[in-house]
Amino acid sequence: DTAVSQTPKYLVTQMGNDKSIKCEQNLGHDTMYWYKQDSKKFLKIMFSYNNKELIINETVPNRFSPKSPDKAHLNLHINSLELGDSAVYFCASSTISGTEEAFFGQGTRLTVV
Amino acid sequence: SQQGEEDPQALSIQEGENATMNCSYKTSINNLQWYRQNSGRGLVHLILIRSNEREKHSGRLRVTLDTSKKSSSLLITASRAADTASYFCATDLTGNQFYFGTGTSLTVIP
Repeated sequence: DTAVSQTPKYLVTQMGNDKSIKCEQNLGHDTMYWYKQDSKKFLKIMFSYNNKELIINETVPNRFSPKSPDKAHLNLHINSLELGDSAVYFCASSTISGTEEAFFGQGTRLTVV
Repeated sequence: SQQGEEDPQALSIQEGENATMNCSYKTSINNLQWYRQNSGRGLVHLILIRSNEREKHSGRLRVTLDTSKKSSSLLITASRAADTASYFCATDLTGNQFYFGTGTSLTVIP
């Protein structure tokens, strides 16, 4: 059984479009995250949600809007996509955040052309 | 802000040798974790060391933590070709925050 699943795995889209990436975890975790990994492999936290409530919103353009319909899902919607948004986006989840390991999805490779 | 920094950025060794990579961080932490990322895949948790621990072992992995120097090291003994991957340290500050470094790219030559 997949613990943290993201869809789609690959996403190619044109500048200016709006797209969403979905994430689901079946681990019963309370906390979910979105990370962005750039071409240099640097992983930057974007958002952290605990029981559907936003805990962290790092310096991320407001074109990025996370949505958590329930604690098992954390979707990422991106408006007006730009070339610089091209990256791999990872969803993750954990229990009481920071005290145990985080489980990561396989990533969504977003390419903006 | 970036919290952890791994060193070296890239490491190439022969199979059977030991691989050591280091992580330095900037502020006080609750714990530090090491993750592995195979090319094109997600991150897999390897080991967690808490701020009150100094050393931890898991199979061929040995992790040390020096909170006075704000540094940690990951040692992989008797490396195998399958250990080829990128290794990241992640620090937890006050909960709900995992901050990663840029990783060490390890290549194990058969």
